[in-house]
Amino acid sequence: QKEVEQNSGPLSVPEGAIASLNCTYSDRGSQSFFWYRQYSGKSPELIMSIYSNGDKEDGRFTAQLNKASQYVSLLIRDSQPSDSATYLCAVKRRALTFGSGTRLQVQP
Amino acid sequence: DTAVSQTPKYLVTQMGNDKSIKCEQNLGHDTMYWYKQDSKKFLKIMFSYNNKELIINETVPNRFSPKSPDKAHLNLHINSLELGDSAVYFCASSQYPWRDNTEAFFGQGTRLTVV
Repeated sequence: QKEVEQNSGPLSVPEGAIASLNCTYSDRGSQSFFWYRQYSGKSPELIMSIYSNGDKEDGRFTAQLNKASQYVSLLIRDSQPSDSATYLCAVKRRALTFGSGTRLQVQP
Repeated sequence: DTAVSQTPKYLVTQMGNDKSIKCEQNLGHDTMYWYKQDSKKFLKIMFSYNNKELIINETVPNRFSPKSPDKAHLNLHINSLELGDSAVYFCASSQYPWRDNTEAFFGQGTRLTVV
């Protein structure tokens, strides 16, 4: 079982819709979770971090964490074509451990 | 000002050669990392240094040798390059890695192609 699992996609949504990206992790003791966005040919950049169960909102982005289900998600409201990228879920262990990413395509 | 910078950005070389990638950060962080991203976009930790001391050494062939002359620099030397070493190598840095809420800042990556 991979430590961090994501559906590779692509996830295709129309402009203005809500994009929902999901991630599961195997280590029940994990405490910190991060969502990075990576445009093609670019480096990963942090979008959000979350440490407590529940929701955390930042602008159009909402991260959701359910430690009992070992599940993290990222919602992007009012999706824009500029949101088209690969979204990487990461779990903090000795270093950040990443999933393989979900490619999001926002159709104009 | 670039926070984490790597050189070169692209590297094309033949099998069997030895090459180095350099990384520098001006964020004042104590911890630096090397990650490898393969063709499937999977980003995997290779090494980590904290204030010049090696603290993470994942299962990586010993042809890969990191070196940290000071806490702002972390270089990666690769001996006897193989086709399977082709990937994008990212340097990253963070502060207080033992804290749960620490994030990593990434360099722009070095795309290594072995032919």
